Amino acid sequence: EPEVTQTPSHQVTQMGQEVILRCVPISNHLYFYWYRQILGQKVEFLVSFYNNEISEKSEIFDDQFSVERPDGSNFTLKIRSTKLEDSAMYFCASYRGRETQYFGPGTRLLVL
Amino acid sequence: GIQVEQSPPDLILQEGANSTLRCNFSDSVNNLQWFHQNPWGQLINLFYIPSGTKQNGRLSATTVATERYSLLYISSSQTTDSGVYFCAVDTGGFKTIFGAGTRLFVKA
Repeated sequence: EPEVTQTPSHQVTQMGQEVILRCVPISNHLYFYWYRQILGQKVEFLVSFYNNEISEKSEIFDDQFSVERPDGSNFTLKIRSTKLEDSAMYFCASYRGRETQYFGPGTRLLVL
Repeated sequence: GIQVEQSPPDLILQEGANSTLRCNFSDSVNNLQWFHQNPWGQLINLFYIPSGTKQNGRLSATTVATERYSLLYISSSQTTDSGVYFCAVDTGGFKTIFGAGTRLFVKA
């Protein structure tokens, strides 16, 4: 069964550093999402992406965040200058439309 | 924006028991999904159910869109059902809002 993959599974970084989280969505899906989940809390929507542009973004998704689909398979989330409060699990999801979203296993980001 | 409330927040069951989890939402929705987050943090999709009833083994779900709620039924619970159950909705755009979840623990 096709699945969404994410790399790395864990990342530790220093405050102020840039990080890039990578996702490979399911190949025939058209809509891509990033979410984050702070430990013990609910899953929060960050951004959705369709047809090579952002469809929606939340208040969390400020100028420090950016997304890109650099080629036909990868979907990336960049955090330019990480803060302590960016420590969370980041999930990528993909979706074909009119069905469930499929989530990747997540990247656990720890900012020190 | 749309509000999503899940109840109960926590639930402890004896193995073999049945349970009903509820998701209320404050506005009309285009999509509604139920997810299970296992103890390792993986989000597993259970149902895509904007309306109607679906069943998958011991799990079933019903969404009454006109009354703005959805129910997830777990029958004959097993220890592997433990984890957090999330309801997630979107209202026609591409912004999916999750509820706070129901944390389920099934005792052997």
